[in-house]
Amino acid sequence: DAKTTQPNSMESNEEEPVHLPCNHSTISGTDYIHWYRQLPSQGPEYVIHGLTSNVNNRMASLAIAEDRKSSTLILHRATLRDAAVYYCILRPAYGQNFVFGPGTRLSVLP
Amino acid sequence: DAGVIQSPRHEVTEMGQEVTLRCKPISGHNSLFWYRQTMMRGLELLIYFNNNVPIDDSGMPEDRFSAKMPNASFSTLKIQPSEPRDSAVYFCASSTRRGPGELFFGEGSRLTVL
Repeated sequence: DAKTTQPNSMESNEEEPVHLPCNHSTISGTDYIHWYRQLPSQGPEYVIHGLTSNVNNRMASLAIAEDRKSSTLILHRATLRDAAVYYCILRPAYGQNFVFGPGTRLSVLP
Repeated sequence: DAGVIQSPRHEVTEMGQEVTLRCKPISGHNSLFWYRQTMMRGLELLIYFNNNVPIDDSGMPEDRFSAKMPNASFSTLKIQPSEPRDSAVYFCASSTRRGPGELFFGEGSRLTVL
């Protein structure tokens, strides 16, 4: 399975931007890049996905490197409610192996 | 719109008892996934179905675990007999098979085996 690597933890101050990195050097041309987050005591929730181009939605932005070997999830203004574990995973276009790694635990300081 | 619905939310049982966890996916989704989450091992994919057919059950820990999907709107994960090491939160998720197919998770079933 394609793998991703993320920092174990990050800290941010409230109302500041947060950039969460993800490396996926073995990505194939048809893999989608997905981001999910898991708030305390909840199931993971979808945040954003992309294939080649940068993407924006109401929750976050996704910046994808030109060679697609890395990506960055951007939270434009972190709030206390953004404290969660963030997972970057690769979803093959022709398979359904959503395999989650340990993710990045984001702490947001008031 | 109703999301993925799981039941029960909490289950406490004794070792050796049978446990059945239930999941109703989002209507129109044709892929269903069962995950298990523990502090030690994180989120583990146990099994997934496409169009009610099990595709990959390589994550199922052992023969005590079984999963079925008799129709597009219902799936079960059964543990028989249960053991204390099965204590975990079990999540069900669904997605469409086409396109990027983002996953939608239920709220989970927290299982405690004494």
